[in-house]
Amino acid sequence: DIQMTQSPSSLSAFVGDRVTITCRASQGVGNGLNWYQQKPGKAPKRLIFDISTLQSGVPSRFSGSGSGTEFTLTISSLQPEDSATYHCLQLNAYPWTFGQGTKVEIK
Amino acid sequence: EVQLVESGGGLVQPGGSLRLSCAASGFTFGNYWMHWVRQVPGKGLVWVSRINNGGSDIVYADFVKGRFTVSRDNARNTLFLQMNSLRAEDTAVYYCTRGNRGPDYWGQGTLVTVSS
Repeated sequence: DIQMTQSPSSLSAFVGDRVTITCRASQGVGNGLNWYQQKPGKAPKRLIFDISTLQSGVPSRFSGSGSGTEFTLTISSLQPEDSATYHCLQLNAYPWTFGQGTKVEIK
Repeated sequence: EVQLVESGGGLVQPGGSLRLSCAASGFTFGNYWMHWVRQVPGKGLVWVSRINNGGSDIVYADFVKGRFTVSRDNARNTLFLQMNSLRAEDTAVYYCTRGNRGPDYWGQGTLVTVSS
C-alpha cells in the first residue's frame, strides 16, 4: 500500500499568513493526488484534484503543487473560515490512501 | 444540486450485519463511480471501496474483503454497502461519495457502532 505522510499534524497561524501543508507518498502517485477540507461534524469538501486543479467554487487562495512523492497545499492568505482539518488522498493505486490530516487553527 | 443521503447506520453487535444505503440525486447517477469512505470520530479518513458506474468492477480495501459487499441500482439512483461479520473496529461514520477522479461530493455520513 502507498503510505501518505502529512506534516505538520497541526498548526496555528494568524489571519493573513501563508500556510503550507505537505504530503509525502511512500512511492510515486503520478497526478493522482487530491486535497480535502473538513470542518468539525461535516463531510469533507474537495479543494484540489490532480495535484493542482482547483475545484470549482473554491477560493483562489488555495493552491496545490508537487510531483512524484512530495505535494503541498498552500493557503496564500489564511482566513478565519479556513479553520479546519485538511486531508490529502492518493488515488494512483488501490487501496486509495489518505494522509492522517492536518488541523489548522487560527491564532 | 448534487445530494447524497446515507441511511441504515446504527448499533449492531459484533458478528452482526447492517446494510447502508445512499440515495443520490441532482446528477446522472449511472455516469459516476461511487465510493465508500469511513472515519472513526476524531480520526482520519479511510477509503473502503469503489464501484464503477455500471457496477461491474468493484475494488475493496483488504480489511473489508469477504465481509462487505458494495452494489448499486442505477434505476433507483442508490448505492448500497452490505456489511457482514462486523467487528468493533468497523465502528465509524460511513460516507457515500461520488467521483471519477476521486471523491468530489460527499454525503453527510451515517454512524455505525459495533458493540455488545
